[in-house]
Amino acid sequence: GQQLNQSPQSMFIQEGEDVSMNCTSSSIFNTWLWYKQDPGEGPVLLIALYKAGELTSNGRLTAQFGITRKDSFLNISASIPSDVGIYFCAGPKRSNTGKLIFGQGTTLQVKP
Amino acid sequence: DVKVTQSSRYLVKRTGEKVFLECVQDMDHENMFWYRQDPGLGLRLIYFSYDVKMKEKGDIPEGYSVSREKKERFSLILESASTNQTSMYLCASRGNGALKEQFFGPGTRLTVL
Repeated sequence: GQQLNQSPQSMFIQEGEDVSMNCTSSSIFNTWLWYKQDPGEGPVLLIALYKAGELTSNGRLTAQFGITRKDSFLNISASIPSDVGIYFCAGPKRSNTGKLIFGQGTTLQVKP
Repeated sequence: DVKVTQSSRYLVKRTGEKVFLECVQDMDHENMFWYRQDPGLGLRLIYFSYDVKMKEKGDIPEGYSVSREKKERFSLILESASTNQTSMYLCASRGNGALKEQFFGPGTRLTVL
């Protein structure tokens, strides 16, 4: 079945560093979503990508929809302590029922 | 702004108890979802509802049931709670438009002793 694999599983970085994480699949997706979950809260949508090759920014965050439609990347520039959390990629299930598949998440910790 | 609320942030129950988790959304969304989140496993779909009184099993429905009597409210029921149901439970909603985003509530951390 469809699966999303995120890497890395966790990152521990120094404040000010840039961060890069990715999400890959053996299946083609026509939408990629990136969510962030703050500690103790529900996930919040950061960026939505709808077109292969699309590059979209949201402040210090930039996400790209891979040209093969089988991957997506999220970059965070000049990290700050409030970037701490779990980042999830997600894509719609092939059955088009409105259901999403989620990656396992990348846990980010930022050292001040 | 879409708002999804969950009845409790933290809940502690005993094995065998019947547990109700409530979720309410205020954006007139047709679709509502219940997930559980466990470390290293991401979000796994328990049940999904695409309309009032309509429901569909997700990937891990065993031990759970749901109720959708009103459009804005979606309840998750643990008929007889077990320790392996200790988890973070997340509710989400989504409209029927082309956009795929789901909007999440703050989560309920359930501990079953």
